[in-house]
Amino acid sequence: EAQVTQNPRYLITVTGKKLTVTCSQNMNHEYMSWYRQDPGLGLRQIYYSMNVEVTDKGDVPEGYKVSRKEKRNFPLILESPSPNQTSLYFCASSSLGSRNEKLFFGSGTQLSVL
Amino acid sequence: QKEVEQDPGPLSVPEGAIVSLNCTYSNSAFQYFMWYRQYSRKGPELLMYTYSSGNKEDGRFTAQVDKSSKYISLFIRDSQPSDSATYLCAIPRGKLIFGQGTELSVKP
Repeated sequence: EAQVTQNPRYLITVTGKKLTVTCSQNMNHEYMSWYRQDPGLGLRQIYYSMNVEVTDKGDVPEGYKVSRKEKRNFPLILESPSPNQTSLYFCASSSLGSRNEKLFFGSGTQLSVL
Repeated sequence: QKEVEQDPGPLSVPEGAIVSLNCTYSNSAFQYFMWYRQYSRKGPELLMYTYSSGNKEDGRFTAQVDKSSKYISLFIRDSQPSDSATYLCAIPRGKLIFGQGTELSVKP
């Protein structure tokens, strides 16, 4: 089954404790992206990657890091989480050849930073 | 001005009602328009996309674009409780730009 898998689904942590949210896709997609979703603000892009070893900032990259060492994986790293990073996070992927840029989303990671 | 604006609702309708969900956009150069549906505790899924102006129909769903007004709409006929979700308009501009999403609740 074609899918984007994120882990964990729920995460509660404390300020300053480094964490990683994993994302993996099995569709051989070149493009992968991370979003955060907040009430009243909608989906905002954090980082994206056009292919292995190619990453770039989205609209709200501060406080986040990503890496793309393999085509299927695109982890999101919070080196020193803060309460304002409490949010619902989505990983997404698509084929760059897709004209309508259909994004496939994971099921989300609800992060709470205390 | 935001590139895509959408009334966040929430919108509550009785089963069987016709639902109209709307977005406005700022750049007249946009040509592709998409609607994603997001169920509670799930990621968004592509529902429909349209190119340029006019209507596109898929079952009970119709996507409409009015380029002269920079207005896009999603109509749901004979709405069902299973249509309860958040609906997000989206426009590709190198990357996808999303509206805020409208939360729809269809009551039995």
